[in-house]
Amino acid sequence: SFEVTQPPSVSVSPGQTARITCTGDALPNQYVYWYQQKPGQAPVVVIHKDTERRSGIPERFSGSTSGTTATLTISGVQAEDEADYFCLSADHNTLSWVFGGGTRLTVL
Amino acid sequence: EVQMVQSGGGLVQPGTSLRLSCVASGFTFNAYWMMWVRQAPGKGLEWVANINQGGSEKNYVDSVKGRFTVSRDNAKNSLYLQMNSLKVEDTAMYYCATYSLIWGRGTTVTVFS
Repeated sequence: SFEVTQPPSVSVSPGQTARITCTGDALPNQYVYWYQQKPGQAPVVVIHKDTERRSGIPERFSGSTSGTTATLTISGVQAEDEADYFCLSADHNTLSWVFGGGTRLTVL
Repeated sequence: EVQMVQSGGGLVQPGTSLRLSCVASGFTFNAYWMMWVRQAPGKGLEWVANINQGGSEKNYVDSVKGRFTVSRDNAKNSLYLQMNSLKVEDTAMYYCATYSLIWGRGTTVTVFS
């Protein structure tokens, strides 16, 4: 079955760059979406269609893809960026969508 | 304001049914694919189902196929999830969402025996 894999956690100091990866064999054939979820809140769209930043999201957030890996990059991390981040993509053959397990970003 | 207001969650026993609703405002609802996503307590997100703009194409995660039905009424800017034969493992917060714009705040479904 189709799977996408994320690292469980990433830690960075304020002002540094955080990179969160999402890996899956089918990623080259389907868009990847990124969502941010803070404790007790609903997820928020951060990046859609691989690289498009949702309106209102700070420019320090960017998305990229290379082969079977998509990456969410947060440049100049701020304390407010501490959250869980989930990627979402689809199996082009079965039309079933799958979230990665989520990555907890900790700002040290 | 772009938003989606959810309703319909609750506390039910296994084998029973619930219907979740979501009303959209502030954007062109009928231009978007819509999805339902759930999150069990303390767990990650799980994609449940989606539906295309006109309602003619629907897809489901294997664990709910044959039990859950997604639908929409574009005239009412509304999305629905009919959940039948509920199981304890369906217990979760359920979100309606667009892929690229906005998520609802969620509604809780608890199935207890």
